[in-house]
Amino acid sequence: ELKVEQNPLFLSMQEGKNYTIYCNYSTTSDRLYWYRQDPGKSLESLFVLLSNGAVKQEGRLMASLDTKARLSTLHITAAVHDLSATYFCAVGYSRNQFYFGTGTSLTVIP
Amino acid sequence: KAGVTQTPRYLIKTRGQQVTLSCSPISGHRSVSWYQQTPGQGLQFLFEYFSETQRNKGNFPGRFSGRQFSNSRSEMNVSTLELGDSALYLCASSTREGANYYQNTDTQYFGPGTRLTVL
Repeated sequence: ELKVEQNPLFLSMQEGKNYTIYCNYSTTSDRLYWYRQDPGKSLESLFVLLSNGAVKQEGRLMASLDTKARLSTLHITAAVHDLSATYFCAVGYSRNQFYFGTGTSLTVIP
Repeated sequence: KAGVTQTPRYLIKTRGQQVTLSCSPISGHRSVSWYQQTPGQGLQFLFEYFSETQRNKGNFPGRFSGRQFSNSRSEMNVSTLELGDSALYLCASSTREGANYYQNTDTQYFGPGTRLTVL
């Protein structure tokens, strides 16, 4: 069974700082998705990474994928309060199944 | 374009009862997937429907079932509810035409979820 691990589970950071969330998965896959979930809300798609070495950036968030290492990272640059949310990675697997990571709860402190 | 809608948003049931949740996908999307989200188990895939057929199924007992209608709207049913079924149930739609994962590169759009509480 494919396992997806995220770390850290909880992240408290000050505004203006940089940090990285890691997503490791156990079985070969060449596509990785990042989602954001605000409290009480549904999931919002952030990035779709479809090949080894893929890098995508949107505002203060940048995601990358290393399929050889089975690792994706979500880098936060100069964090602002609006980025406070829970971030999930999801690994695409055969037969249209998606396995989600445990989530990283990010709190940005002013 | 309207997003994915789910009804009801909140539901309270007792053990042993059954429940039906509804999901209307984004117009033009024919794939609907269902997920269960709990604090302990996180987000887990339940099943996917495409063109009224269940294409994929996660590792859940037979008490969990679903169906899809010709207009792509989908329902999921949980029979003989247990306390552990309390969760946020999310549906997601996409244009995912191919049955094989490698054919599909688009993302899924999630609905707001139905919060089910089993007492």
